[in-house]
Amino acid sequence: SQQGEEDPQALSIQEGENATMNCSYKTSINNLQWYRQNSGRGLVHLILIRSNEREKHSGRLRVTLDTSKKSSSLLITASRAADTASYFCATDWLETSGSRLTFGEGTQLTVNP
Amino acid sequence: DTEVTQTPKHLVMGMTNKKSLKCEQHMGHRAMYWYKQKAKKPPELMFVYSYEKLSINESVPSRFSPECPNSSLLNLHLHALQPEDSALYLCASSQGPTLEQYFGPGTRLTVT
Repeated sequence: SQQGEEDPQALSIQEGENATMNCSYKTSINNLQWYRQNSGRGLVHLILIRSNEREKHSGRLRVTLDTSKKSSSLLITASRAADTASYFCATDWLETSGSRLTFGEGTQLTVNP
Repeated sequence: DTEVTQTPKHLVMGMTNKKSLKCEQHMGHRAMYWYKQKAKKPPELMFVYSYEKLSINESVPSRFSPECPNSSLLNLHLHALQPEDSALYLCASSQGPTLEQYFGPGTRLTVT
């Protein structure tokens, strides 16, 4: 399985602090994506980083990718209570029958006001 | 319009019922997906449609039957479900199989 593993499983911080979540995967990928999910809702795409990229920014989000270590990290700076959610990394892998995304176990982030 | 809609939002059904979940997108996406998600777990892929044809079935039991009537619509027909099928069912679409996916809000299914 190429399922990503994320750590920590849960993270609790104060508003204004930075939050870092990590994702590891097992085989070569074309790209890696991060999604956010508020409780009981659909997932929202945050950022996609391609295998030939090392770092990407989007607003308060910073994603890094280290293909040699098969790992990625998501940094949320200056966190807000509204950032409270589950965060999933998703990797792609290719099979003869097609391509799909496989999601990691997720990190539950709680930002306390 | 970057929205994926799903109906119904909640569904309670008995094990002998037949029901359908519906999903719609108007972004011109050619790939559409059904996922199943249990509490505190990641989404698990069930089916992928590419250009209205079923391209991936993740060994899903036949009591789940997907259908793609056209490029904007995706249905999931349910029959003789088990209580363990209770979950959040998510629909998603994308331009391509490994590009960013847009998710609907999901249908919370309870099988009694």
